[in-house]
Formats: sequence, C-alpha cells, structure tokens
Amino acid sequence: AQSVSQHNHHVILSEAASLELGCNYSYGGTVNLFWYVQYPGQHLQLLLKYFSGDPLVKGIKGFEAEFIKSKFSFNLRKPSVQWSDTAEYFCAVKPYGGYQKVTFGIGTKLQVIP
Amino acid sequence: GAVVSQHPSRVICKSGTSVKIECRSLDFQATTMFWYRQFPKQSLMLMATSNEGSKATYEQGVEKDKFLINHASLTLSTLTVTSAHPEDSSFYICSARTDTQYFGPGTRLTVL
Repeated sequence: AQSVSQHNHHVILSEAASLELGCNYSYGGTVNLFWYVQYPGQHLQLLLKYFSGDPLVKGIKGFEAEFIKSKFSFNLRKPSVQWSDTAEYFCAVKPYGGYQKVTFGIGTKLQVIP
Repeated sequence: GAVVSQHPSRVICKSGTSVKIECRSLDFQATTMFWYRQFPKQSLMLMATSNEGSKATYEQGVEKDKFLINHASLTLSTLTVTSAHPEDSSFYICSARTDTQYFGPGTRLTVL
C-alpha cells in the first residue's frame, strides 16, 4: 500500500518569504499526486494536481509543485507567501487506476506572520 | 470546479442516538463517494468507499454496523452513525470523485 510523508508539521514564515513544503510518497508504480489546502474554518480545496506530462505543475494562488520521480517527491513551492496563505496543506497520492484510493499525508500547518 | 455539500455542518446529540449526515455532489454525478474522519493533528482517515447502487466498502477497523452508508443516487450518499457514543465525536468529511476528489465542508459531530 502507498504512504505519504510530509516532513514539516508546522511552518512559520514572514510575509514575502519563500515556501517549500516537502512531500514524499512510497509506491512503486504510476501515481497521481495532489496538494490540498484547508484554510481556517473551511473545507479541503484542491490546490494543484499532477497526472502526467510536465512535472512542474502550477496551481492556484501562485503555488507550484514539482514531481521528481527518482526521489518520489512532490514538493510544494511558492516564491512569496502572503498572510492569507495561512492554512493547513495536505499532500496526497493515488496509484494510477480508477478504483485506487487516495492516501493523505498528515498535513503541514503554515502560519504566515504579517 | 466541482462542488460537494454536506449537511448538517454541525450536530450535537445525546449518547445512544443516531445521526445522519448527507453528502451531495451539486454539479456532477459521482458513482463513488468517500467518507473520512479527521482527528486533531492527524491526517484524514478513510472510513469507507460508497458506491452507487451497491454496498459500501469499509476500511479495516471501521464497524459497518455502526457507520451505515447508503449511496442511493449518483449525487447523494449518507452516513448514519448509529447508537453514537462520545468517542464517535469527530469531524466527518465526505468527498466525491471525478478524476479528482472534491471535498465537502465537513460535519462536526459532538456526542454528549
């Protein structure tokens, strides 16, 4: 079965700092990869996803993630964070195939200080 | 994007009662929906996969007689927590899938 690890559980940054949240997965085959965001008091929303093609994926609100197959990684990045990016971020992986389940990481809580 | 709704958003009930939570895909049809529990400081825990027109598939350790799932149509799945106890208090989240999973806003269940 697949698993996902997110290395940073709580990250505190000042506004305008650059962000990189680590995500590694374990699964030997083809995968679909996702980053979800949960803003305070709101539900999970899709930030970006990778299915195939260009391993550098751009999502909403200036976020991007790079799939590095050799490292089993899908790190999330943003060059300059804003206070409104304060949220919890979840990495998720799904083995390729219609009936496969999505596995979520434990989440990283990002706090951006004005 | 695809929208998933849940109702109610918050429910408080007495121990021993049953609570039903509805999950609807508003602008798409979903043959498969998922029910999760989210614990504080932990990841989402998949409870069961709900398949339209057939029985739900439960994850190991999840009591199917306690957490009844019905997927009556392509846009509606319900989770009924039967004979709820305080340890069932949690945040329950449903999601519906096209090629991507879209999540409902969650239901906070508190059992007194």
